Parts: sequence; structure tokens; C-alpha cells
Amino acid sequence: QSALTQPASVSGSPGQSITISCTGTSSDVGGYNYVSWYQQHPGKAPKLMIYDVSNRPSGVSNRFSGSKSGNTASLTISGLQAEDEADYYCSSYTSSTSVLFGGGTKLTVL
Amino acid sequence: QLQLQESGPGLVKPSETLSLTCTVSGGSISSSSYYWGWIRQPPGKGLEWIGSIYYSGSTYYNPSLKSRVTIFVDTSMSQFSLTLSSVTAADTAVYFCARHPTLHRVGLLGPYYVDVWGNGTTVTVSS
Repeated sequence: QSALTQPASVSGSPGQSITISCTGTSSDVGGYNYVSWYQQHPGKAPKLMIYDVSNRPSGVSNRFSGSKSGNTASLTISGLQAEDEADYYCSSYTSSTSVLFGGGTKLTVL
Repeated sequence: QLQLQESGPGLVKPSETLSLTCTVSGGSISSSSYYWGWIRQPPGKGLEWIGSIYYSGSTYYNPSLKSRVTIFVDTSMSQFSLTLSSVTAADTAVYFCARHPTLHRVGLLGPYYVDVWGNGTTVTVSS
């Protein structure tokens, strides 16, 4: 199984909005509403930001939102802040009862 | 609040077996609501799911690693462990242990997202 496809990098200025895409297949992203997103700062463990496509865990800012259309899921961060600069990974449940991650996207806040 | 702590050797020789243990505290490893898993991250690269286990012992492995991976659980010690055989330099990574909610409520087996992560432990494969 190949990793989910994410852009290597995205950037935005403080206050702007950015969107990170995550493309899979009908066996993973497209087949289930079980996409999750993680934020990882350098040297730290990942942090869950979105689960089940669009649900935010308690404590995660409502500036983070998720959506899905077909085989592509998206993470949108609105009102960009310097602290949002990090790597972001998507993940999906798959038809082979496994977990598949995306290759990761580096977000730069200009 | 549930915490996960990885432990094990930081250096493993090529062709040998990597062994790591994750200790669960602040919650029950025997909960029917969760799987327990291992995820790794090579230096400068992305996340890779290795495999996960249910408290009953049911296991799910990444197909690309399945022939070399074993995950087992010791509920009496609140621990689950990973062994990875015949390691090479490509197995050098930060190894995270993790907790995954189940999808049993909708009739699906296997882990999905990770809601709790360990801090990670670095394993280097080198002679």
C-alpha cells in the first residue's frame, strides 16, 4: 500500500488561511469517513488535530477544520499563527484493516 | 490522564532483532475501546504505521513489515512490546507507541486514528 499523497510544503502569512490536501483511493480515504490529521513540531510527538474527517478533539482550536470530497481529504487552517508552523500528516483507515499515513506537509508561516 | 512510555535499547546491530516495550499508565490496557500500536519515523521522513494489538492479542501489521514484526501484550504488566527482526540501517528511526480507538461500534476491525502518543524513542541500527 502506498502512502497517501500530500504536498511537500505549503506556506502562508499570519492571518491568512491555507489548505493541505491528502489524496488516497477508494480503499482508504474515499471509502471511509475515517481520516485524521496530526500536527508535529520538530523533535516532538505528533498531536491529533482532526479525526473522522472533520471532528476536533477537545482543546484543539476551531481554526483547524477538515473536509473530504471523493478520494481527497483536506485540512484548512484559518487565521494562521506563527505557532502553526509545523509538519502536518493525514492518515486514513483502510479496507485492509490497516493505518495509512500521508507523506507529510511542511507548513511555513511567512 | 493516560500516558505511554517507550523503553528499550537505543542501538541495535544490523541483522539483529530490535525490541521495544511501551508501558501504559493512567488507564487500562485491557480496555475494549482501544488498540495499542507502534509507529516509526526515520530521520527527516514521514510517519509509518508498524502494527497494532488488541488486549485480547489480536494483531494487525503493516504488510510491508509483516514478515519481520511481532507485537505482543502483557496485560498484567500494562505493557505491549514490539520485536523487529533482521534489522538494517533503514530501520533507524524514532519509534512511537500509540493508542488507537476502535471501530467496533460500526462493525469494523482494526485500529484507526491515534489519540495518545508516547514521546518516542530513537533506535539506531549500526555496527
